[in-house]
Amino acid sequence: DVKVTQSSRYLVKRTGEKVFLECVQDMDHENMFWYRQDPGLGLRLIYFSYDVKMKEKGDIPEGYSVSREKKERFSLILESASTNQTSMYLCASSADTGRNEKLFFGSGTQLSVL
Amino acid sequence: AQSVTQLDSHVSVSEGTPVLLRCNYSSSYSPSLFWYVQHPNKGLQLLLKYTSAATLVKGINGFEAEFKKSETSFHLTKPSAHMSDAAEYFCVVVSGGYNKLIFGAGTRLAVHP
Repeated sequence: DVKVTQSSRYLVKRTGEKVFLECVQDMDHENMFWYRQDPGLGLRLIYFSYDVKMKEKGDIPEGYSVSREKKERFSLILESASTNQTSMYLCASSADTGRNEKLFFGSGTQLSVL
Repeated sequence: AQSVTQLDSHVSVSEGTPVLLRCNYSSSYSPSLFWYVQHPNKGLQLLLKYTSAATLVKGINGFEAEFKKSETSFHLTKPSAHMSDAAEYFCVVVSGGYNKLIFGAGTRLAVHP
């Protein structure tokens, strides 16, 4: 089975801190994604990457950046955390860019910014 | 632009009774639609997908969904609910390339004994 692993299940950070969320997938997938999940809003795409060192903005990229130096790893960076970035962050990967390709999700990182 | 609307934020059923989770979509072309499920403290898992091959789509765990173009709907059903079905369910439409998914707000399903 495909495994998408997020390094932390829970994180608590202070306002202004730089935060790194790490995601690793073990199936050599081309595409990786970062979503944030908020109650009543579903999941919203922050950034995605379709190849090493390639990245594309999603729907809500403000306040975030990403890094993909190796195919299996996709990092989400909060340059200066703010309280409105308190959320559940979900990483996902997929093998291809086809419209019907399913995504494999990690278990999520619940980030609290105080 | 593509979008999805899940008509109920919460649905509560008794074990053994039918489940109906409603989803309407908006798409400027023939859509690809998915239902994902999220159990507590777990990642999202694909339940089923519609890819224009057949309007009635069967998924895992006894769920199925019917694509109705005239009603722009893709409702999720199950004949008999089980306690293990309690979870949050997301209706999803694909937007553009690179698997850009647009998620509905989610429906939380509660199953009572």
